[in-house]
Amino acid sequence: SQKIEQNSEALNIQEGKTATLTCNYTNYSPAYLQWYRQDPGRGPVFLLLIRENEKEKRKERLKVTFDTTLKQSLFHITASQPADSATYLCAPSTGGFKTIFGAGTRLFVKA
Amino acid sequence: DTGVSQDPRHKITKRGQNVTFRCDPISEHNRLYWYRQTLGQGPEFLTYFQNEAQLEKSRLLSDRFSAERPKGSFSTLEIQRTEQGDSAMYLCASSFLRELGTDTQYFGPGTRLTVL
Repeated sequence: SQKIEQNSEALNIQEGKTATLTCNYTNYSPAYLQWYRQDPGRGPVFLLLIRENEKEKRKERLKVTFDTTLKQSLFHITASQPADSATYLCAPSTGGFKTIFGAGTRLFVKA
Repeated sequence: DTGVSQDPRHKITKRGQNVTFRCDPISEHNRLYWYRQTLGQGPEFLTYFQNEAQLEKSRLLSDRFSAERPKGSFSTLEIQRTEQGDSAMYLCASSFLRELGTDTQYFGPGTRLTVL
């Protein structure tokens, strides 16, 4: 069955450093992959989408990579700030209506 | 506010009671989704509408759950005879199918259900 793995342990980093979150998937070949941010008690918010034929995508301080050979996506936040503290969800999609979400990685940025 | 809205935000009920949640999607979106999320997990797909048609329902969804989207606008999710295991955050999302088949979903704030 399709499986998505994200770092189950929380990631703690110092303000100003780069946070790197990992998403691994197995048993399917997504056409694109999305990253969402979720704050406690709120719904997820879309951040970035990267297609299978793209290696890297950037948006302000965010960068996403997509390696279809390794079946992995990396999500980077440069110059991290305490306001970046949240749970980040990975969602690889085959292009149909059904999007499967990973369990997410909690990020804590210390001032 | 032009985002997805959900009502109520919180619901506490006793086991065995029926509950109904409402979702108002972004007006131009033709796709609507319901998800369930428990602590430490990602959103879990429940059901999906394209306009007013319910096209898919998760195998995890028991017969106690039913969803509607009359006239392709707002949607309701009803849970009959609630059980303690139904306690979770219920999320609604909407989207509009874009070019090249990508589907970015916009989520509402969720309804937190607690079954006592």
